Amino acid sequence: SQQGEEDPQALSIQEGENATMNCSYKTSINNLQWYRQNSGRGLVHLILIRSNEREKHSGRLRVTLDTSKKSSSLLITASRAADTASYFCATESIFGKGTKLTVNP
Amino acid sequence: KAGVTQTPRYLIKTRGQQVTLSCSPISGHRSVSWYQQTPGQGLQFLFEYFSETQRNKGNFPGRFSGRQFSNSRSEMNVSTLELGDSALYLCASRRPGGETQYFGPGTRLLVL
Repeated sequence: SQQGEEDPQALSIQEGENATMNCSYKTSINNLQWYRQNSGRGLVHLILIRSNEREKHSGRLRVTLDTSKKSSSLLITASRAADTASYFCATESIFGKGTKLTVNP
Repeated sequence: KAGVTQTPRYLIKTRGQQVTLSCSPISGHRSVSWYQQTPGQGLQFLFEYFSETQRNKGNFPGRFSGRQFSNSRSEMNVSTLELGDSALYLCASRRPGGETQYFGPGTRLLVL
């Protein structure tokens, strides 16, 4: 079963806009991670947030974690065409089905 | 450091055949996990190996098996292939005590 479930399934925005993706999970976690996948290739790790953290930043990425709601969000600010990819949240070895982000130039 | 490598990158097989996929982890990484990715089911965990021992296993039939060698390289085998086994198979490695998985480019398997 899928632990992480991303929302929305697909998102299309213009370059320069912000993109927000959400993830919900079912059980208690030690950490939650976000990955990016470009069109049928391997996944690239973006950021890890631990269960005792509420927010984490990395460059244009901001991740929040709400353990009481069992949810996390990934915000990409000032998006670029190169951000076009699928984004997955993962807890341990369980991945969600991902959000497909398209950034239009 | 070289990244995770997977061979072959593409494979076409017919139903009933078997296939072996190979994964070489990042140097120093001793944990290797395998995943199956399909449009319908998404990324599903197959199994994880650490120091030649299977540590975790996902919910897949016994046709899917794996092993890990003393140099941490891993292979997975699928016997009696079915059409539904067509997928992108990804492996990922982790350093000892690490939480982040580093993925290879995947092997795309097509079963006809």
